[in-house]
Amino acid sequence: GIQVEQSPPDLILQEGANSTLRCNFSDSVNNLQWFHQNPWGQLINLFYIPSGTKQNGRLSATTVATERYSLLYISSSQTTDSGVYFCAVKAGTALIFGKGTTLSVSS
Amino acid sequence: DAGVTQSPTHLIKTRGQQVTLRCSPKSGHDTVSWYQQALGQGPQFIFQYYEEEERQRGNFPDRFSGHQFPNYSSELNVNALLLGDSALYLCASSLDGYNEKLFFGSGTQLSVL
Repeated sequence: GIQVEQSPPDLILQEGANSTLRCNFSDSVNNLQWFHQNPWGQLINLFYIPSGTKQNGRLSATTVATERYSLLYISSSQTTDSGVYFCAVKAGTALIFGKGTTLSVSS
Repeated sequence: DAGVTQSPTHLIKTRGQQVTLRCSPKSGHDTVSWYQQALGQGPQFIFQYYEEEERQRGNFPDRFSGHQFPNYSSELNVNALLLGDSALYLCASSLDGYNEKLFFGSGTQLSVL
């Protein structure tokens, strides 16, 4: 089955710093989504981005489907950005998740 | 506009018991998927329901079963609980289920003792 790998596994930042999270996937996909899981367990859909670039405030995402990777950029990080970031790709109707990147932002 | 709602939020059961978890999809959505998230892992797909039928199933035993009602709400049933079933169970809804954004509920934390 399709494999999803995320890096780095852990990231520690000072407030105001920028970061890039990476997601590699093993097969061609037509549906890729980024999620943020907050410390209370809620999964928030950040982007639906099968290809191209999207921006939403301080967050942006780029997917290069032909090279099988996606990047999530977080600029001017805030403590509320802390949590786990997941990349997920579709296999049929199922979302296959990576293991996530745990981000800790300190003030 | 209500999002995806799940109940209960927490549940404690003992080995061998049965449990039922409930999910109401986001308004306007007709497809419900269930995921299991073990501690420190990404969510794993259990199954998806569309038009009251199971459309796709992940690698989970038959002890896991589900149902979708005409109003699109759904239940997840787990029989003969094992210690390893302890996890956060997440419900997600979407329109159609193939190439749409998924919206997740807050989950049900199940502990099996």
